[in-house]
Amino acid sequence: SYELTQPLSVSVALGQTARITCEGNNIGSKNVHWYQQKPGQAPVLVIYRDITRPSGIPDRFSGSNSGNTATLTISRAQAGDEADYYCQLWDSSTVGVFGGGTKLTVL
Amino acid sequence: QITLKESGPTLVKPTQTLTLTCTFSGFSVSTSGVGVGWIRQPPGKALEWLALIYWDGDKRYSPSLRSRLTITKDTSKNQVVLTMTNMDPVDTATYYCAHSLYFYVSGHNWYFDLWGRGTLVTVSS
Repeated sequence: SYELTQPLSVSVALGQTARITCEGNNIGSKNVHWYQQKPGQAPVLVIYRDITRPSGIPDRFSGSNSGNTATLTISRAQAGDEADYYCQLWDSSTVGVFGGGTKLTVL
Repeated sequence: QITLKESGPTLVKPTQTLTLTCTFSGFSVSTSGVGVGWIRQPPGKALEWLALIYWDGDKRYSPSLRSRLTITKDTSKNQVVLTMTNMDPVDTATYYCAHSLYFYVSGHNWYFDLWGRGTLVTVSS
C-alpha cells in the first residue's frame, strides 16, 4: 500500500515562510492535494493537483511536487495559518491516501 | 452554493451496523466527474479515507475496511449513504462526507473540494 509521510510539527516565525513536506515513493509522478484543518472544523482544500489554489485561498499558499517529496509552502505566515495540514493523493492500488498530518505553529 | 451535511446516530454499540447519510445540495451526484467521498478522523488523529462513489455508480473502498463498508447513492434525494458493519470502539471518530472531483492524469484521481461539518460517532457499550 502507498504511504505518505509528513513531519508531526513545523514551526515558523510570524511573517516568515513555512514549508510542510509530504514524502512518498516517486510522489512526483502523482497528483497531490493539500488540506488545512483548524481545531473543531472540517478540512479545507488549499492546494489541488500539486500547484493549483482554489478560489478564495490566498496566494501565500503554494505547492510543488518532485521526486519523492511534495511541499506546501506558506509565505508571510500569519497567526491564522496555525492549523493541521494534510496531504492526499489517489493511488491505483491504495486508492484514497492521506498523510499523517502536520501541526503548524506560528511563533 | 454546495453544502453537505452528515447525519446518523451519535452512539452505537459494538458489533452493530452504522448507517450514515450525507444530504447535499448545489450539485448532482450524477454529473460527470463528480462524486461523494467519506472520510473519518478519530479524536486527535489523522484523516482516513473510507469510500467514494462515482457519478456513474462506480465505487471504491479503503482496502483495509472494504469488507465492512457499503456506499450507495440516491440521486433523486441528493443523498449518499455509508454503512459500516461490526462496529468497534476503535471506529469512534468524526465522519465526514465530501464533494469530490475527478480527473484523469496517469490514472484516476480524486480530491475533496468541499466538506460537510462532520458527525461524531462513538462506539461504546
